[in-house]
Amino acid sequence: KAGVTQTPRYLIKTRGQQVTLSCSPISGHRSVSWYQQTPGQGLQFLFEYFSETQRNKGNFPGRFSGRQFSNSRSEMNVSTLELGDSALYLCASSLVAARGVGELFFGEGSRLTVL
Amino acid sequence: AQKVTQAQTEISVVEKEDVTLDCVYETRDTTYYLFWYKQPPSGELVFLIRRNSFDEQNEISGRYSWNFQKSTSSFNFTITASQVVDSAVYFCALSERDSSYKLIFGSGTRLLVRP
Repeated sequence: KAGVTQTPRYLIKTRGQQVTLSCSPISGHRSVSWYQQTPGQGLQFLFEYFSETQRNKGNFPGRFSGRQFSNSRSEMNVSTLELGDSALYLCASSLVAARGVGELFFGEGSRLTVL
Repeated sequence: AQKVTQAQTEISVVEKEDVTLDCVYETRDTTYYLFWYKQPPSGELVFLIRRNSFDEQNEISGRYSWNFQKSTSSFNFTITASQVVDSAVYFCALSERDSSYKLIFGSGTRLLVRP
């Protein structure tokens, strides 16, 4: 069974530009979460979507946004890029359990470099 | 507030040694979930185990074992007879609350297994 697929895997942008990252979850998974990983801050939660609705949001500025489509695929967008946005962006998908929290399966990430 | 502490930044062992990775968590919730993930150089977070707060049974899976103790708020992970392929960064994580897919990650422990 195919895992979580993220595209692009690597990209380089300059300050002020915007970027869109894509995530295709495991088939049947309806919850998609996004995390930012940096050497200084570690792994930080960005947001989570379920059935096209954002259910949870981390402490990031409004420049970070996301959405989920009816087929559960998700995109995140970062506008007006700053040097500090350079990071590995990880997407995770999960079956939504009737109760509690299911297992989250992560993709290999999109590595963004901002120059 | 929820918090996960992995005090060991880096551990180096020789192949076939046993190694224990420590994880201490803080939460005010009575229902919560704990996770361990492995991150090899490729970047993908590989799911290892999920534990809910109601189940304090320790678990063994092959060379891996986990020791969950609510009394000390710890969820430690032991690799028996370590192998070079175990070299990776290991993360402990806590779900923010029951039914939340927002994970709070520790800072990670880098494990180096030398031949």
